Amino acid sequence: DIRMTQSPASLSASLGETVNIECLASEDIYSDLAWYQQKPGKSPQLLIYNANSLQNGVPSRFSGSGSGTQYSLKINSLQSEDVATYFCQQYNNYPPTFGAGTKLELK
Amino acid sequence: EVQLVESGGGLVQPGRSLKLSCAASGFTFSNYYMAWVRQAPKKGLEWVATISTSGSRTYYPDSVKGRFTISRDNAKSSLYLQMNSLKSEDTATYYCAREDNYFDYWGQGVMVTVSS
Repeated sequence: DIRMTQSPASLSASLGETVNIECLASEDIYSDLAWYQQKPGKSPQLLIYNANSLQNGVPSRFSGSGSGTQYSLKINSLQSEDVATYFCQQYNNYPPTFGAGTKLELK
Repeated sequence: EVQLVESGGGLVQPGRSLKLSCAASGFTFSNYYMAWVRQAPKKGLEWVATISTSGSRTYYPDSVKGRFTISRDNAKSSLYLQMNSLKSEDTATYYCAREDNYFDYWGQGVMVTVSS
């Protein structure tokens, strides 16, 4: 199975700040990488797919980048509604596997 | 609007069975692979099962293979998960999700608690 290592595990940032979350795959996943946002008590929602494609309706302050084994999610101008846990997921090979998550809080 | 609504969760004793259902609407159900993904309390996400559009192909991780069965009824736009020989480690919120390589839509989730 492909192992997905996310960092940091938790993050505290101020409103308006730029935030970066990293995801490292144990092997090349050829940009078959998605990012999800899960707000407290809610189900996950797709933010980014194919490493850098923004899902319909997702604010443009979210962006994804990366290739090979290294990927990142960037949030520009952090808003209060961005407080959530973020997960990466690879779908290059079965089984689909997720990172452990990054919990984002406001400072 | 895509909607996925799970039902059938609850408290069940170890070794017993439970069947989850997911009612889909807002898209052509028969055109999509569907999946179940679970999340243990305060934990991360774990893929549980996937079924092809016709239902002819199913996929499971080793953790549930032989115990869980995913199925679908395209005429009813419904997805199911039959869970047998349940263990305490199966305690989780179970999400129904539409799978288009990634999981682009998720239900609200249903809680399954396995405990004596």
